[in-house]
Amino acid sequence: EVQLVESGGGLVKPGGSLRLSCAASGFTFSSYSMNWVRQAPGKGLEWVSSISSSSSYIYYADSVKGRFTISRDNAKNSLYLQMNSLRAEDTAVYYCARDRQWLVNIYFDYWGQGTLVTVSS
Amino acid sequence: SSELTQDPAVSVALGQTVRITCQGDSLRSYYASWYQQKPGQAPVLVIYGKNNRPSGIPDRFSGSSSGNTASLTITGAQAEDEADYYCNSRDSSGNRWVFGGGTKLTVL
Repeated sequence: EVQLVESGGGLVKPGGSLRLSCAASGFTFSSYSMNWVRQAPGKGLEWVSSISSSSSYIYYADSVKGRFTISRDNAKNSLYLQMNSLRAEDTAVYYCARDRQWLVNIYFDYWGQGTLVTVSS
Repeated sequence: SSELTQDPAVSVALGQTVRITCQGDSLRSYYASWYQQKPGQAPVLVIYGKNNRPSGIPDRFSGSSSGNTASLTITGAQAEDEADYYCNSRDSSGNRWVFGGGTKLTVL
């Protein structure tokens, strides 16, 4: 059974840093691209960042570029998101999600339960 | 602003059919995927590709696409289908992902 379990969320002051982790199990982690998707309270889903299976390709949303860093450790079956210079607008539930792509078929097939990040003084 | 456009809210009578649409230029190049999200829960994939359902998704859910518009149809909506629905695809660069703003479905 595929499982994605996020951790590392919490309360942080504006300008602070936080590192999120996502522990993957039930599949060959090193074969899949992974993503972080967030959802601010009462708002819609927002894609944050993606990383290819071997970390060769990394992309960020404009809203987090230069402040957030995505990484992975295939030996530990883990995905990370280092978040620096946090702002109030970064307050959200952060989900890790596995993506699948072949030809014109693209989708996120598994999601974690999310971890809440609150940025407030 | 989202590159995928959805109606904010749609309602349907119990047992009737409802279609939720998603518009965006990237849908001319990629099939949209659709996610159901209930309050306090993570999103769940309900439709991907031309019209594929993951295991466990009822066959009352179906997808279609024409030009720059993708549609999610629920035939015979049930009370448990009341949720937020999001479409998803690539952005105009082809490297990043984008979600529609979401459609809140109310089953009357």
